[in-house]
Amino acid sequence: DTGVSQNPRHKITKRGQNVTFRCDPISEHNRLYWYRQTLGQGPEFLTYFQNEAQLEKSRLLSDRFSAERPKGSFSTLEIQRTEQGDSAMYLCASSYHKFKQGIANYGYTFGSGTRLTVV
Amino acid sequence: SQQGEEDPQALSIQEGENATMNCSYKTSINNLQWYRQNSGRGLVHLILIRSNEREKHSGRLRVTLDTSKKSSSLLITASRAADTASYFCATDTTDKLIFGTGTRLQVFP
Repeated sequence: DTGVSQNPRHKITKRGQNVTFRCDPISEHNRLYWYRQTLGQGPEFLTYFQNEAQLEKSRLLSDRFSAERPKGSFSTLEIQRTEQGDSAMYLCASSYHKFKQGIANYGYTFGSGTRLTVV
Repeated sequence: SQQGEEDPQALSIQEGENATMNCSYKTSINNLQWYRQNSGRGLVHLILIRSNEREKHSGRLRVTLDTSKKSSSLLITASRAADTASYFCATDTTDKLIFGTGTRLQVFP
């Protein structure tokens, strides 16, 4: 397992088009996260999955955004009717959370990100 | 949303000098982590300090945590030009990581 893989690395799209990104997490990890990062800012949380269940969505995730993790493995993030303000780096991360005797997290691993440019 | 802020926003030093970055956060945490990001690249995990720890070392990195003040600091000793990057603190609240605004470090040879 070579870590968290994100595809594509770069995407240029015209305003109004739909785009879809893919994230392949570390196979043993049960949690998968999506973040968005704009230039000069820290990553902002968008949503996360525990296995195939989407447990939390940020207010940043408007109705044009949808994320899925159909079989609890890879995930896709789709943006419909893209706007110039959607231009950002979209980062995926995975982690393993253990639930016996309380919650323990064994570290997050981030992918290299997908850079979206909306023109 | 972002958990807190980092200070300074930007830091320029000469090789060999030490670099100190500070992070403040708002809510209770399980642990606090520091990440490094080279321009246009993904995040690399540097070090994790748990809420019941006060100080941790890893190579040239030293992290402190003061939960009463909700603050942390990252010290990079004997800096190198290759340390040039953005550094982010992130608080782990059980469900997810929440990042700070970052410090851009420039180390001149």
